[in-house]
Amino acid sequence: NAGVTQTPKFQVLKTGQSMTLQCAQDMNHEYMSWYRQDPGMGLRLIHYSVGAGITDQGEVPNGYNVSRSTTEDFPLRLLSAAPSQTSVYFCASSYRDSSDTQYFGPGTRLTVL
Amino acid sequence: GENVEQHPSTLSVQEGDSAVIKCTYSDSASNYFPWYKQELGKGPQLIIDIRSNVGEKKDQRIAVTLNKTAKHFSLHITETQPEDSAVYFCAASIAWNTGNQFYFGTGTSLTVIP
Repeated sequence: NAGVTQTPKFQVLKTGQSMTLQCAQDMNHEYMSWYRQDPGMGLRLIHYSVGAGITDQGEVPNGYNVSRSTTEDFPLRLLSAAPSQTSVYFCASSYRDSSDTQYFGPGTRLTVL
Repeated sequence: GENVEQHPSTLSVQEGDSAVIKCTYSDSASNYFPWYKQELGKGPQLIIDIRSNVGEKKDQRIAVTLNKTAKHFSLHITETQPEDSAVYFCAASIAWNTGNQFYFGTGTSLTVIP
């Protein structure tokens, strides 16, 4: 098993550009989530999904969109990047819900100029 | 929503000594409390967890205690080694039927001095 994979590892965007951060897991997990990590603020939940076709907002959803068309994939879209979205982004998955062990991907470091 | 506070933000200990990291949470609906270790440039990795029906759990040199009444839980690392140096995060999970979300503390940077 590859576990949770994320692409790209690094990305630089200009303000206003759009992009999609990819996340995939091969563990047949139902629950997937996206976090951003900023210095001194820990990890904050952006969006999460409890299964294909179901998504919901987390703590900091503004400026981000998600979809879950398959169990394996959970992409995160930035429609119009802003400097405030400069951060490290982590995708995670767990078997069923938030009370199960979460497995994190290696992260994507995003810089918005 | 839930608010998780973590202390201290930085911690230095001599190799072989113990390290203790403390977290508090605000929502009594939280029922799952994992601890993660994050090494530089990597994603967080679960090291131990505890559920609300248990007061203490131990795994070799690592232990976690939970006080539901006071709404706090702690990570204890004994006989620390240089490879324990990392950032540690606590988290609290709201029960699945009332939110299904994780809330993380702000992290503790642990340095074990050889």
